[in-house]
Amino acid sequence: RKEVEQDPGPFNVPEGATVAFNCTYSNSASQSFFWYRQDCRKEPKLLMSVYSSGNEDGRFTAQLNRASQYISLLIRDSKLSDSATYLCVPEQAGGSYIPTFGRGTSLIVHP
Amino acid sequence: DAGVTQSPTHLIKTRGQQVTLRCSPKSGHDTVSWYQQALGQGPQFIFQYYEEEERQRGNFPDRFSGHQFPNYSSELNVNALLLGDSALYLCASRRQGEGAYGYTFGSGTRLTVV
Repeated sequence: RKEVEQDPGPFNVPEGATVAFNCTYSNSASQSFFWYRQDCRKEPKLLMSVYSSGNEDGRFTAQLNRASQYISLLIRDSKLSDSATYLCVPEQAGGSYIPTFGRGTSLIVHP
Repeated sequence: DAGVTQSPTHLIKTRGQQVTLRCSPKSGHDTVSWYQQALGQGPQFIFQYYEEEERQRGNFPDRFSGHQFPNYSSELNVNALLLGDSALYLCASRRQGEGAYGYTFGSGTRLTVV
């Protein structure tokens, strides 16, 4: 089983739509979780951290379910500029802080 | 404040050759990690350097080696290049003790092996 599993998509949605991505992770010892965004042929950039209580940042909401070992990202009122690949990143425990990246989910927002 | 700088941006090499990629971390950062990102895949961890030593290593063969200098900059060396080594190589830096929230990525070196 892969450490991080994501549906690669692409998810094709119209502007204004709400879209959700899920990600499952296999390392139950993972302590920190993040969503990164990667634009085509660019480097990944941190989008948001994921807390047990959920985390909301404007149109973006991230949730963590430790029991089922998955994290989710919800994007409301999609914009054209949201088109990118979204990478799920659990982080190794124990202080080594090695982020493990999923293959990412591609989102295409069209007019 | 300069972020992470990688050089070169693009590189074409022939199978069997050797390549060296370079990374200058963000100011104030002392830990450097290298990732390989093949087309359509997420970044895969190669190794991490801190205090000029390799601290963690991913599932990569010994053909991949690295170095960190006293000024925290780092090099990634790949020997005996294979076609499958064609990828975007990303360098990420952070302060020791910070988690992924502290990572800053460079824009990468795109390596093509022909």
